[in-house]
Amino acid sequence: NAGVTQTPKFQVLKTGQSMTLQCAQDMNHNSMYWYRQDPGMGLRLIYYSASEGTTDKGEVPNGYNVSRLNKREFSLRLESAAPSQTSVYFCASRRPPDTQYFGPGTRLTVL
Amino acid sequence: QKEVEQNSGPLSVPEGAIASLNCTYSDRGSQSFFWYRQYSGKSPELIMFIYSNGDKEDGRFTAQLNKASQYVSLLIRDSQPSDSATYLCAVIPPGANNLFFGTGTRLTVIP
Repeated sequence: NAGVTQTPKFQVLKTGQSMTLQCAQDMNHNSMYWYRQDPGMGLRLIYYSASEGTTDKGEVPNGYNVSRLNKREFSLRLESAAPSQTSVYFCASRRPPDTQYFGPGTRLTVL
Repeated sequence: QKEVEQNSGPLSVPEGAIASLNCTYSDRGSQSFFWYRQYSGKSPELIMFIYSNGDKEDGRFTAQLNKASQYVSLLIRDSQPSDSATYLCAVIPPGANNLFFGTGTRLTVIP
């Protein structure tokens, strides 16, 4: 039972490049989340998915898109990366009623 | 006003002492409260959750909730150097299904 997994662990992009961050959970949870963590800002919600086939914007969705591919997988896409998107990205899934478990994170640098 | 406020610290305590971490939240109707521990370079790890006023104990950890004063605290008894980490307070406000995080308090336990 791996819990929540994320790939890649590290990534360096140039401004304007695109990439997809992958997340998968094996706990059969319905809800999944993408957060970013920046120094002094705490964790902020980018997008979430309450169930397969549904997605909703969080606090900081601009510049991102998501796909809930199936119950296990929830991906985050940066279409045209900007230096302001340099951050650590965490995926989480929720065990009912409301306990969230986090993946190991992706450290992204945009030059 | 931020949803969740924490003193960023750093908080230093000697080994064996009690560490007290505090958090206040803005939405009086919030019902679910969480403490996460985050080691440097790692993902947040759930320590405790609390829903009702009063104390909840789990081993060396005690969460305290006072809804009238809108604060949540975490006490760590017999602090160990391995407790040195950043502690994140999180709240789910009414109508939300995601966590709102404080910026975290960094704790250092001195051997």
